[in-house]
Amino acid sequence: DARVTQTPRHKVTEMGQEVTMRCQPILGHNTVFWYRQTMMQGLELLAYFRNRAPLDDSGMPKDRFSAEMPDATLATLKIQPSEPRDSAVYFCASATDGNYGYTFGSGTRLTVV
Amino acid sequence: KNQVEQSPQSLIILEGKNCTLQCNYTVSPFSNLRWYKQDTGRGPVSLTIMTFSENTKSNGRYTATLDADTKQSSLHITASQLSDSASYICVVSGDAGKSTFGDGTTLTVKP
Repeated sequence: DARVTQTPRHKVTEMGQEVTMRCQPILGHNTVFWYRQTMMQGLELLAYFRNRAPLDDSGMPKDRFSAEMPDATLATLKIQPSEPRDSAVYFCASATDGNYGYTFGSGTRLTVV
Repeated sequence: KNQVEQSPQSLIILEGKNCTLQCNYTVSPFSNLRWYKQDTGRGPVSLTIMTFSENTKSNGRYTATLDADTKQSSLHITASQLSDSASYICVVSGDAGKSTFGDGTTLTVKP
């Protein structure tokens, strides 16, 4: 089965450090989403791309978060500097045109101490 | 404001029993509604996707219904199994790629 691959699966880092999370969308999917999941907030949309162009990153704290798609096979989410409140599971999802039928990755569990 | 409300928040049932999860939404305009199953420590996995014109869709023991007039959906699980223990998330999409997630229903199936 085609799948969305996220790395790393787990990341523990100290406050102030840079964190980069990677996502390989399903081949042929042109829409990529980044979500953050916490117990308190549930799933929150951080950013999404279509055909590698950022369409919406209004859910992302701009001062420390950045999302990019350097090519069609790689999406990155970077936090610099990281803070303890960033601790969460970060999911990447990909889809074909539009928002029909996302496939989620297994997530990156980030702990900032 | 677009909202998706799921009920109950949590549910415990015995193995073999049926259950129904509810999702009410205010998202407009409406594009599609999806139910996801999320096992602990895993990403959500799609169960069903329904557009405006569809009012029921099945995936094995999972059957989703949609009433676009009342903006309600339900997910019915038949003959529950221990492996059905998970969070079930309702997601409603409007236009331009905007999706609104419910907080999920946590289902526990006990032997």
